[in-house]
Formats: sequence, structure tokens, C-alpha cells
Amino acid sequence: GAGVSQSPSNKVTEKGKDVELRCDPISGHTALYWYRQSLGQGLEFLIYFQGNSAPDKSGLPSDRFSAERTGGSVSTLTIQRTQQEDSAVYLCASSSRGHADYGYTFGSGTRLTVV
Amino acid sequence: GIQVEQSPPDLILQEGANSTLRCNFSDSVNNLQWFHQNPWGQLINLFYIPSGTKQNGRLSATTVATERYSLLYISSSQTTDSGVYFCAVPQREYGGSQGNLIFGKGTKLSVKP
Repeated sequence: GAGVSQSPSNKVTEKGKDVELRCDPISGHTALYWYRQSLGQGLEFLIYFQGNSAPDKSGLPSDRFSAERTGGSVSTLTIQRTQQEDSAVYLCASSSRGHADYGYTFGSGTRLTVV
Repeated sequence: GIQVEQSPPDLILQEGANSTLRCNFSDSVNNLQWFHQNPWGQLINLFYIPSGTKQNGRLSATTVATERYSLLYISSSQTTDSGVYFCAVPQREYGGSQGNLIFGKGTKLSVKP
């Protein structure tokens, strides 16, 4: 697609429920990143996929968080047994390896509210 | 890990004024990016600038990698420039490709009409 697409744009869930957030990167971009941004804060790295390499999961805050990327394209971030501190905007970005400009392109984010 | 510090944290300008935002980083890098997050939350990549100077309209950026800082210049500011400006550097590189970025805490800019 023309940009990075994330869905849903907003999600309200009850504490303890599982949620799935979706990211559709720019076609042909081999690198995909998940970040989260709490209210008024900077961006916190969660996980990074590069091509067929094993993902870098070093930013995941707990084992309740997991992500997968199917077919080198769409990615799903799953949060199990959600807690109120998981409330944040979850941002996905993609970038293209091999170009002179390695700039990230971000999606519009999913605003997650755990009540 | 690498530290990224931005200053000032907040900046209020009158429309038409110029400003300089600073980003300091604690280790050598070969990649630095500036982003603008508008009031609706959308993050836009402004510059990929590992070194030297780039200009895009009223915005320009300079990175002095040897001294571990980058500057973002905004000239003749407009209300649409309001938002948060982030700089970001790689945490580490993977075989030459781009790894994940570490973001500063941002500079919140408000441009008043």
C-alpha cells in the first residue's frame, strides 16, 4: 500500500482480556518495528523484524506481549491478559533496506485503553 | 545503551519566529532521524541525516557526528509546525541494515498566531 496501515485505530478492552493489533507495512519494506507511546511520553521500542531473520524481541516488557510477522508482510502484536498499564498508543513503522534513505514510515497507531 | 537527550523540552514561539532544537547523543552513530508528531499523533519523518546538512523548505537539519549532536532549524514558523519533534538514533546495526531506533523525549513546540 501507499503507507503503513494499522488497525484498529482505537481499542477499548477490559482488564484481563487479550487483544490483537495489526500492522500492514509498505509493500516491499523488509523491516518492521513496533513501538508504544504512553500519554505525553516518548516512543518505547518493543520488537523489530528484519526480513527472514529472527526478530529482536528485546523491548517487549513482559511475556504477555508477543508479535509475529507472516509472509514477511503483515504483523500482529498480541497482548494477553491486558493490564491498565498497557494503555498506550501502539505504533508500527516500516523501512526499506538497501535504499540510500533508511527513513522510517509510521502508521497512525492503535490507541489501546484498558478499563 | 545509547542515550538521546533533546532540548528544550518545551518551546513557545510567535508565528514567524525562528527556532533551533538540539539533540545530543552519547555514542557514535551512523544514522540519525528527525520526526514531527502532529497534534493528532501522526509521526512524520523529516530528515534522515547521519552527517552534514539537509534542507527541506523552511526546515533544515545539521548533524555533527564527531561531536555527537544534531540541530533542527525551523525558520519563519507557522502554527502548523506545532507538535512534538523527536530525534532518534539506532540502538545497534544488524549487518549494515537499520536496527531499531532509540528516541529522545522530544521537544514540544507551540506556535502562536
